[in-house]
Amino acid sequence: GQQLNQSPQSMFIQEGEDVSMNCTSSSIFNTWLWYKQDPGEGPVLLIALYKAGELTSNGRLTAQFGITRKDSFLNISASIPSDVGIYFCAGTLYGNKLVFGAGTILRVKS
Amino acid sequence: EAGVAQSPRYKIIEKRQSVAFWCNPISGHATLYWYQQILGQGPKLLIQFQNNGVVDDSQLPKDRFSAERLKGVDSTLKIQPAKLEDSAVYLCASRPRGRSFYEQYFGPGTRLTVT
Repeated sequence: GQQLNQSPQSMFIQEGEDVSMNCTSSSIFNTWLWYKQDPGEGPVLLIALYKAGELTSNGRLTAQFGITRKDSFLNISASIPSDVGIYFCAGTLYGNKLVFGAGTILRVKS
Repeated sequence: EAGVAQSPRYKIIEKRQSVAFWCNPISGHATLYWYQQILGQGPKLLIQFQNNGVVDDSQLPKDRFSAERLKGVDSTLKIQPAKLEDSAVYLCASRPRGRSFYEQYFGPGTRLTVT
């Protein structure tokens, strides 16, 4: 079945730093999604990407849909303490089922 | 607008016991999903309902898991009997009619510990 690999698994950064994380797939997707999950809560959709090469921003977050359709990247600029949480990538090929990565845990040092 | 409600928030049971989780989706949302999220992993879809009909239950372990959505509103997920590997957070999500597949609103989840 489809598998998504996210890296890094976790990161500890200084407040104000930029953050980069990525997600790779064993197969192509037509839609890439990025979610954030806070402790004790469900995931919340941050960004949706629909086309290879697409670059989309949401505030300090920027995500890109890789040209090969097998990867995606998320960048967070000028991190703040409330950015802590788990970031999940997810993909779908036919728009009928989401496949999630294992997540990147973000911890911010204030 | 109230979000997706789930109860209980936490449950601890012994293996071979039974357990049930309840989900109340956002009002008017026709599509309802149950996901299993094992610690350190992303959510995995167990079952999808459209109104009170099952759309996809291909990843539901049907020998022990069952789910229903009577009247197309609330839903219940049951595990009988539970195994140690069922320890996870069970997330319910709902989606408004006519919106993209991925525009799902997740509830806070029920954390199940099987001892």
